[in-house]
Amino acid sequence: GESVGLHLPTLSVQEGDNSIINCAYSNSASDYFIWYKQESGKGPQFIIDIRSNMDKRQGQRVTVLLNKTVKHLSLQIAATQPGDSAVYFCAETSGGGGADGLTFGKGTHLIIQP
Amino acid sequence: GAGVSQSPSNKVTEKGKDVELRCDPISGHTALYWYRQSLGQGLEFLIYFQGNSAPDKSGLPSDRFSAERTGGSVSTLTIQRTQQEDSAVYLCASSLGVGRGLGFFGQGTRLTVV
Repeated sequence: GESVGLHLPTLSVQEGDNSIINCAYSNSASDYFIWYKQESGKGPQFIIDIRSNMDKRQGQRVTVLLNKTVKHLSLQIAATQPGDSAVYFCAETSGGGGADGLTFGKGTHLIIQP
Repeated sequence: GAGVSQSPSNKVTEKGKDVELRCDPISGHTALYWYRQSLGQGLEFLIYFQGNSAPDKSGLPSDRFSAERTGGSVSTLTIQRTQQEDSAVYLCASSLGVGRGLGFFGQGTRLTVV
């Protein structure tokens, strides 16, 4: 797949604030997107996904927004907590909703300051 | 098991030696993936197994890399004649199949080639 990138390698927010992590993708054929959270020493953990027929999807304290016009994806985390500190990856695929050959971005390290 | 299990957690090997990395997927998951994560980088797709179909090997970086999946369950990733650039964390993931998302990663095997 084509590259998927993130705007910021590190994002620092105050505990309790909302955070927004951004991701840009280049493959206009991408139709399925996932956000992952990876804590130190652990494998990536699925957070939330969205298909290209949607522009917003909400989970528990997280919201993913998809703007297909500008090929931009964002993850919003409400009321950040210390446990939210991790590296966040976006991933995309054009496999018709399948997960084979997911292309991952390099990740944004979210730091929660007390 | 309750999650995707990988072994060993850490492996240090001498350049030129062969290594085998093991992945036990979640029971009942028909899809199994191997990814490689270099320091500070995103995940690089290596190989994908889906049921009894021929695996998608398009991500394997060289013919020194191979993988098998026996009985539709356990998978072994083999790296022959290891090189220093093979040093990375090797992650395995499983899912219920295409279109079901990629939600479950193992903790990874950290390979160091000295």
